[in-house]
Amino acid sequence: DTAVSQTPKYLVTQMGNDKSIKCEQNLGHDTMYWYKQDSKKFLKIMFSYNNKELIINETVPNRFSPKSPDKAHLNLHINSLELGDSAVYFCASSQDRRGGYTFGSGTRLTVV
Amino acid sequence: DAKTTQPTSMDCAEGRAANLPCNHSTISGNEYVYWYRQIHSQGPQYIIHGLKNNETNEMASLIITEDRKSSTLILPHATLRDTAVYYCIVWVGSARQLTFGSGTQLTVLP
Repeated sequence: DTAVSQTPKYLVTQMGNDKSIKCEQNLGHDTMYWYKQDSKKFLKIMFSYNNKELIINETVPNRFSPKSPDKAHLNLHINSLELGDSAVYFCASSQDRRGGYTFGSGTRLTVV
Repeated sequence: DAKTTQPTSMDCAEGRAANLPCNHSTISGNEYVYWYRQIHSQGPQYIIHGLKNNETNEMASLIITEDRKSSTLILPHATLRDTAVYYCIVWVGSARQLTFGSGTQLTVLP
């Protein structure tokens, strides 16, 4: 069983559209994260939820809205997509906010 | 969080040990050293972590100097599948997230 799974793996969409990326973890972890990796390969934290409560909200446009229906799921909704949103988005989870994170395989978003 | 310095890239022959250095001269006493790697197009993968003592697991060994200002990740018998970007991260329990730097691109050569 995949520990942290993201869907879809690839997403190609036009500017201005709204899209969602889903993430689920079956590890029983209490904290989940969204990271963005841009074309220069830098990994940057976007959001973090601990037991469904938002604990990190970095400087991210408010077009990005995370939703955590329960502690096993953290979805990312993006409104009015822009070319600059093209990147690989990684979901991750950890227990008790410890440093041993488990990452998903990523969602490659391409905005055209 | 303490910053880390890693070489941009390294090569290693297949079957030989790969030794990846990391400097973290401003590390505090309660900060851990974590190592992750990212194989092309995949999510980062946790390798190992340590506080003061050397650590070993099925993937690698972590050697931390006595003054804790630097560490070395050792892959004892590198294979082609170990080609990846390796990240050394200093992390403290109160940190809210892992902060990734630019890492070291390790290329294992046949």
